Amino acid sequence: GENVEQHPSTLSVQEGDSAVIKCTYSDSASNYFPWYKQELGKRPQLIIDIRSNVGEKKDQRIAVTLNKTAKHFSLHITETQPEDSAVYFCAATANFGNEKLTFGTGTRLTIIP
Amino acid sequence: DTGVSQDPRHKITKRGQNVTFRCDPISEHNRLYWYRQTLGQGPEFLTYFQNEAQLEKSRLLSDRFSAERPKGSFSTLEIQRTEQGDSAMYLCASSLSGSGNTIYFGEGSWLTVV
Repeated sequence: GENVEQHPSTLSVQEGDSAVIKCTYSDSASNYFPWYKQELGKRPQLIIDIRSNVGEKKDQRIAVTLNKTAKHFSLHITETQPEDSAVYFCAATANFGNEKLTFGTGTRLTIIP
Repeated sequence: DTGVSQDPRHKITKRGQNVTFRCDPISEHNRLYWYRQTLGQGPEFLTYFQNEAQLEKSRLLSDRFSAERPKGSFSTLEIQRTEQGDSAMYLCASSLSGSGNTIYFGEGSWLTVV
């Protein structure tokens, strides 16, 4: 089955700086890669996703890049703000219909004011 | 609120007791998922339904676990003879089948087995 590894497990950045979180996956058939943000005691919320037919996607301060050859994808947050502090999870699935997501272990991002 | 709703939000039970969680998906969503999340870990897939059919079950879903979605709307997840290792947050999610459709999560049901 799919295995997703995520690094780093914790990340602290100064407000206004950029944050990068990286994930690798094992199943070359994986074709959908979402990123979820989870605040303490709250539900995971989708913040951005990318499909295997594109290499990069951007939404305001958030971007995701995908390298299919190396089987890794990354989340980039620019101009970080205190409200970006949360746990971020990457996920992957080999089914375009999103039946089953395999999640990484999460990155706790802390933005230092 | 038109999101995924779960009940109860918190449950404390004694080891050996049975517990049941309910999930109401977003109304037009035909797919419903159950995940389990322990502290410091990402959600782990348990099972999913398309309408009333249970299409896949993880090896994590032991014989003590059963999930149903009898009318293709709400779903229940029952854990029989709870063990301390069952303590976790049980997340329900839903989506509309077809490519490109987002999976939306509920707030989760926290289970503590004492």
